[in-house]
Amino acid sequence: DAGVIQSPRHEVTEMGQEVTLRCKPISGHNSLFWYRQTMMRGLELLIYFNNNVPIDDSGMPEDRFSAKMPNASFSTLKIQPSEPRDSAVYFCASSFSVGTYGYTFGSGTRLTVV
Amino acid sequence: GDSVTQMEGPVTLSEEAFLTINCTYTATGYPSLFWYVQYPGEGLQLLLKATKADDKGSNKGFEATYRKETTSFHLEKGSVQVSDSAVYFCALSEWTGNQFYFGTGTSLTVIP
Repeated sequence: DAGVIQSPRHEVTEMGQEVTLRCKPISGHNSLFWYRQTMMRGLELLIYFNNNVPIDDSGMPEDRFSAKMPNASFSTLKIQPSEPRDSAVYFCASSFSVGTYGYTFGSGTRLTVV
Repeated sequence: GDSVTQMEGPVTLSEEAFLTINCTYTATGYPSLFWYVQYPGEGLQLLLKATKADDKGSNKGFEATYRKETTSFHLEKGSVQVSDSAVYFCALSEWTGNQFYFGTGTSLTVIP
């Protein structure tokens, strides 16, 4: 298995532009998680899906952030408009049974908003 | 609610030294416990896990024992290598839960 695949690995964009991050979970996993990691705040859970349905989006910082999971093999995290304070590494993770197997993380997308 | 507390870093050790990174937890139910490792520029990787009390997880020379009486899951390694330099995260998940509760991470640097 190729693992959790995220794209792009790096993204540099100007303030105000729309940014879309992509994630392909491991086949057969039924839960998908989006995290943000910064030096100041560490790892933050933004949103998670179970069977393609958003379960908890309380971590989404504001309305500029949105996430979708149109099918079991694809999810997007969109920021519109982007701001410099959104600069971070964004991780996607998937799981079949969190309590038993834990998460499998992707390699992350490093976002820089200038 | 559930939470995980890790020892503050950063930790700097000489090669072949003994490593302990402390982790304690608070949980309302019956959690599974995990250690993840993050190498520079990479995502988090599962290092080891334990799903019930007194279980010992082990991998790559690292060990951690699930101690319910002390609500702890301390990470240990008898002889660290330079290649072990990374950030280590303790985490828990309730058995029936669907989320992790991560500690803040402990940065380890091993010097030759």
